[in-house]
Amino acid sequence: GAVVSQHPSWVICKSGTSVKIECRSLDFQATTMFWYRQFPKQSLMLMATSNEGSKATYEQGVEKDKFLINHASLTLSTLTVTSAHPEDSSFYICSASGLEGPNQPQHFGDGTRLSIL
Amino acid sequence: AQSVTQPDIHITVSEGASLELRCNYSYGATPYLFWYVQSPGQGLQLLLKYFSGDTLVQGIKGFEAEFKRSQSSFNLRKPSVHWSDAAEYFCAVGAGTSYDKVIFGPGTSLSVIP
Repeated sequence: GAVVSQHPSWVICKSGTSVKIECRSLDFQATTMFWYRQFPKQSLMLMATSNEGSKATYEQGVEKDKFLINHASLTLSTLTVTSAHPEDSSFYICSASGLEGPNQPQHFGDGTRLSIL
Repeated sequence: AQSVTQPDIHITVSEGASLELRCNYSYGATPYLFWYVQSPGQGLQLLLKYFSGDTLVQGIKGFEAEFKRSQSSFNLRKPSVHWSDAAEYFCAVGAGTSYDKVIFGPGTSLSVIP
């Protein structure tokens, strides 16, 4: 149980385009979803926290207009990288926590590798 | 503020040898602690977690971790390492009002020699 699906797993696109990444909880309702960014050989950096039906909370230094997050339902959150540039290339990972009760760990997707040419 | 340190950036062990990965945390109250493993190009898999109770926690794949409040540590151990254990290991502490926000340590890369 507690499967989180992330799509696409790998995307390559031209500079200036916008890219949407989906994060779905397949077998549970995710009240909260998290978006992380990971550079090669580095740890995960939390970008934002999204709660279903409300605006996302962004971490300090993360551009809200660059990284648009929508959490429209209890099973889906999307991250849109707007007007992507090569410096946005990275590994993006989502995670979700659900309604199983307090103190439950996050469940992670398999990540999306974004390459901007 | 909560923080996690993992003193060892990279560790190499021989297959069959024992393993201990170190983790130290900084947190004012009782911490919620996790160990995750990440294979190259993959997401994270939860190995084990500590919320309360027994300070020796058993996890998946034969891993265990011991919470030591006096040392602010949560070291991960495995008695006999397998080649498939080679991966990146992250220690993490729960944060936020409901502890669902997680702060990750920098990670320890494990290599296993046949």
